[in-house]
Amino acid sequence: DQQVKQNSPSLSVQEGRISILNCDYTNSMFDYFLWYKKYPAEGPTFLISISSIKDKNEDGRFTVFLNKSAKHLSLHIVPSQPGDSAVYFCAARLQGSARQLTFGSGTQLTVLP
Amino acid sequence: ETGVTQTPRHLVMGMTNKKSLKCEQHLGHNAMYWYKQSAKKPLELMFVYSLEERVENNSVPSRFSPECPNSSHLFLHLHTLQPEDSALYLCASSQLNSVLFFGEGSRLTVL
Repeated sequence: DQQVKQNSPSLSVQEGRISILNCDYTNSMFDYFLWYKKYPAEGPTFLISISSIKDKNEDGRFTVFLNKSAKHLSLHIVPSQPGDSAVYFCAARLQGSARQLTFGSGTQLTVLP
Repeated sequence: ETGVTQTPRHLVMGMTNKKSLKCEQHLGHNAMYWYKQSAKKPLELMFVYSLEERVENNSVPSRFSPECPNSSHLFLHLHTLQPEDSALYLCASSQLNSVLFFGEGSRLTVL
């Protein structure tokens, strides 16, 4: 039973538009959430994170929103660029666990020029 | 030189072979991890090694055995694997309560 779900395996957007990637979780004991980006033939790289005490965190073109009541987080990329085309993984960390992350299955984002 | 280096990048082995995956981190981190990524599935944590603890995912078969001789090196020993073990194996490292830094992965194919 997946505790972190990314229900959209793929997403295509036009360059310059907004990309919205979604992630749902079931465990209310998650207290820290992260997004990783993965290019083909490379390992995942950290993109942005958010603590459960916040509802928004912004870093340049990337913003993560957290809705705790809905157990939902989203990653907004605006404006989207072709170089953003990658697989995006959502991950969550259990409260009190310094080491263990639970990942979603990823969303393939394709930004069309 | 990347922060987390994995070798080999690609490995093809038969079910009766014994092989090892190697990971080395140059970031001064105090924890190392093995993750498994199968197609269309979430990254699955296999093992964690740190100064404080060793964590094993109980669902990982015993045909996978980790070895962590020091804080910079991590191995995954493979023996009598099955075709369903074919996947991308990712090594990562971190400091306590910090983000994971991943290697580029070792693509394993079991024939």
